[in-house]
Amino acid sequence: AQSVTQPDIHITVSEGASLELRCNYSYGATPYLFWYVQSPGQGLQLLLKYFSGDTLVQGIKGFEAEFKRSQSSFNLRKPSVHWSDAAEYFCAVGVNTGNQFYFGTGTSLTVIP
Amino acid sequence: NAGVMQNPRHLVRRRGQEARLRCSPMKGHSHVYWYRQLPEEGLKFMVYLQKENIIDESGMPKERFSAEFPKEGPSILRIQQVVRGDSAAYFCASSIGFGTDTQYFGPGTRLTVL
Repeated sequence: AQSVTQPDIHITVSEGASLELRCNYSYGATPYLFWYVQSPGQGLQLLLKYFSGDTLVQGIKGFEAEFKRSQSSFNLRKPSVHWSDAAEYFCAVGVNTGNQFYFGTGTSLTVIP
Repeated sequence: NAGVMQNPRHLVRRRGQEARLRCSPMKGHSHVYWYRQLPEEGLKFMVYLQKENIIDESGMPKERFSAEFPKEGPSILRIQQVVRGDSAAYFCASSIGFGTDTQYFGPGTRLTVL
């Protein structure tokens, strides 16, 4: 069965520090991978996606993610975090059959001055 | 191009009442998805619809829940005889195509059952 794991429930970083949010998936075929961000009381905004090709994907707001097939991972990174990045981050896997997206439980990011 | 619209944004119902949640997809999108987000959890898929058809409802509870996407008008998620456990945020997403095309999410409807 497909599943998505975000092992870090909550992360705190200082403003200006680098960030890496982990995401591991379980799926038999090549997955379609997404990162979404959710601000409090808001819907989900797409940060970036991976379908195929270059395994390093650039997204909005200075985020990037790298697909590593051997590790079944799609970790999200940002070299320098801004206070406005504080939010909930969700990794999702798109399954080619059933049109379902499977979401991780999310990582809550706190940014301290 | 307006994004995915959902209304109401907040809905309060007493146990036993009906809740109707509406979703208007992005212009040009004919695929709609509903997700439920319980507190402190990720989103869980409920149902996938195209115009006038339910394609996949494997994530929808068998009783009290129904969804439709008529030829004209928004998609509706209907919850009959609500219970406290139905309190959650319900998100709608839409996409241009099927399969794993990017899904764009609405702001959600936060349902509170008293």
